[in-house]
Amino acid sequence: DSGVTQTPKHLITATGQRVTLRCSPRSGDLSVYWYQQSLDQGLQFLIQYYNGEERAKGNILERFSAQQFPDLHSELNLSSLELGDSALYFCASSSGQGASPLHFGNGTRLTVT
Amino acid sequence: ILNVEQSPQSLHVQEGDSTNFTCSFPSSNFYALHWYRWETAKSPEALFVMTLNGDEKKKGRISATLNTKEGYSYLYIKGSQPEDSATYLCAFANRDDKIIFGKGTRLHILP
Repeated sequence: DSGVTQTPKHLITATGQRVTLRCSPRSGDLSVYWYQQSLDQGLQFLIQYYNGEERAKGNILERFSAQQFPDLHSELNLSSLELGDSALYFCASSSGQGASPLHFGNGTRLTVT
Repeated sequence: ILNVEQSPQSLHVQEGDSTNFTCSFPSSNFYALHWYRWETAKSPEALFVMTLNGDEKKKGRISATLNTKEGYSYLYIKGSQPEDSATYLCAFANRDDKIIFGKGTRLHILP
């Protein structure tokens, strides 16, 4: 058990809808990273937060947004969903930044129909 | 564009044999290089994080080396066992707080 909790495990929704994915980092970890894994793709970096502040952005669509709250949990909001947004979304936390290992949650499987 | 390449994409190895695979990453703006092991139906688990050129890390039968000047890292597995079957991911961390993953090497150990 990595200590990182992601909810929900599965989400099925229709095109055009909005969903929120939630991540609770491992106790004591200040950094949260979000990744998207689509079919036949690797882990695509979306965004990173450190102690409540956005620190790095990857190829995150404008329809997607995220935040990290004072209690360090993070939410990833996906809106105007399209079929191509169907993917496994991982959250990972670490104690520091790039030189600390990432601890991954079990992921949220999003299916857009 | 930050590009992390791993080769080969897939590998079949006889049980008991040793093997290695490669991760190539940008040599500029380097901060750290990570290796993860990802078993089917589980989440990636960290193996090593290396930061200095020439770093070598070892955990049991698995070891890794790092060359930051030329931008590559090798992962070695000695005496492969069936439980080593997994996808091995490397990730490049730059000084802009991004951690970028390669697509992985899928390792199959043949009994």
